[in-house]
Amino acid sequence: AQTVTQSQPEMSVQEAETVTLSCTYDTSESNYYLFWYKQPPSRQMILVIRQEAYKQQNATENRFSVNFQKAAKSFSLKISDSQLGDTAMYFCAFMNPMEYGNKLVFGAGTILRVKS
Amino acid sequence: KAGVTQTPRYLIKTRGQQVTLSCSPISGHRSVSWYQQTPGQGLQFLFEYFSETQRNKGNFPGRFSGRQFSNSRSEMNVSTLELGDSALYLCASSWTGESDYGYTFGSGTRLTVV
Repeated sequence: AQTVTQSQPEMSVQEAETVTLSCTYDTSESNYYLFWYKQPPSRQMILVIRQEAYKQQNATENRFSVNFQKAAKSFSLKISDSQLGDTAMYFCAFMNPMEYGNKLVFGAGTILRVKS
Repeated sequence: KAGVTQTPRYLIKTRGQQVTLSCSPISGHRSVSWYQQTPGQGLQFLFEYFSETQRNKGNFPGRFSGRQFSNSRSEMNVSTLELGDSALYLCASSWTGESDYGYTFGSGTRLTVV
């Protein structure tokens, strides 16, 4: 079974600084998808960024970028120029459509607090 | 464009009762998935529906069931409620369920069982 591990339960960062959230996963497959979702107090899960395992290039979305290390099974999220609105719970998620269908397997989450 | 709409937002039920939660996907989205979120177990996949058919199912007891209508709206039912069913239930929709298109989540239904 696939597992996703987020080793940092909580993190804090000063506004305008950079923070990196860690995620590791376990799979024997070579083709899969990885996601970072953000869940603010409003409860809605918002897709931050996604990465296809077959792509070597790290995904980037504005201030958000990932460091995808396939051999190490690591998928960290870097947030640059942190803003107060980035305060939220962040979830790393894995999907292997070929074997498990379109089911997201989530990590336990990391609470990120951005301080002014 | 309207997002994924879940109703009701909050619900309080008594042990032994049953409950039905509703999810209206984004217009044109045909895949609807349901997740349970609790502090202890985190986010767990319940099931996925595509074109009115259950396409994938998580590891939950038979008390948890769902269905999807021809307009892609989905309902989730939990019978004989237990205290442990208290959770945030999230619905997510996508065009076909294929990951290329991404998933959009609703704001969830907070169910409290007393």
